Amino acid sequence: AQTVTQSQPEMSVQEAETVTLSCTYDTSESDYYLFWYKQPPSRQMILVIRQEAYKQQNATENRFSVNFQKAAKSFSLKISDSQLGDAAMYFCAYSGYSTLTFGKGTMLLVSP
Amino acid sequence: DAGVTQSPTHLIKTRGQQVTLRCSPKSGHDTVSWYQQALGQGPQFIFQYYEEEERQRGNFPDRFSGHQFPNYSSELNVNALLLGDSALYLCASSLAPLTSYNEQFFGPGTRLTVL
Repeated sequence: AQTVTQSQPEMSVQEAETVTLSCTYDTSESDYYLFWYKQPPSRQMILVIRQEAYKQQNATENRFSVNFQKAAKSFSLKISDSQLGDAAMYFCAYSGYSTLTFGKGTMLLVSP
Repeated sequence: DAGVTQSPTHLIKTRGQQVTLRCSPKSGHDTVSWYQQALGQGPQFIFQYYEEEERQRGNFPDRFSGHQFPNYSSELNVNALLLGDSALYLCASSLAPLTSYNEQFFGPGTRLTVL
């Protein structure tokens, strides 16, 4: 079975600074997808960024980028120029085909 | 275009009771997945419905059952409620993952409290 591990229960960052959230996963599959989801206090799960395992190039979405290390089974999220609105719980997730396996999450605190 | 909607928003039940949660998928989506998110944890996959049939199931007991209707909406039923069933229940909709992964869009969830 696939597992996703987020070793940082909580991270803090100041506005305009950069923060990196860590994620490792375990799978025997060669083709899969990895995601970072954001869950604010409103509870709505929002997709932040997505990476296909067969793509060597790291995904980027505006201020959000990933560092995907397939051999190491590592998938970290970098948030640049942090904003107050980035404060939320962030979940790393894995999908082999249709269902999602989530980590336990990292709470990101953003201070002015 | 309405996104994924869930009802009710909050629900309080007592141990041993039964509960039904409802989900309407995003327009154009035909697949519904249900997840349970306990406090302080990540969501856990319960099951997925496509073409009115349960296609995949996570590690949940038979007390958890579901249904999908011809209009693609879905229900999650939980029988003989336990205190440990208290959680946020998330519904996600997508297009059928026939050849590749299709993005899942999540609803706001139903907060179930079992007393």
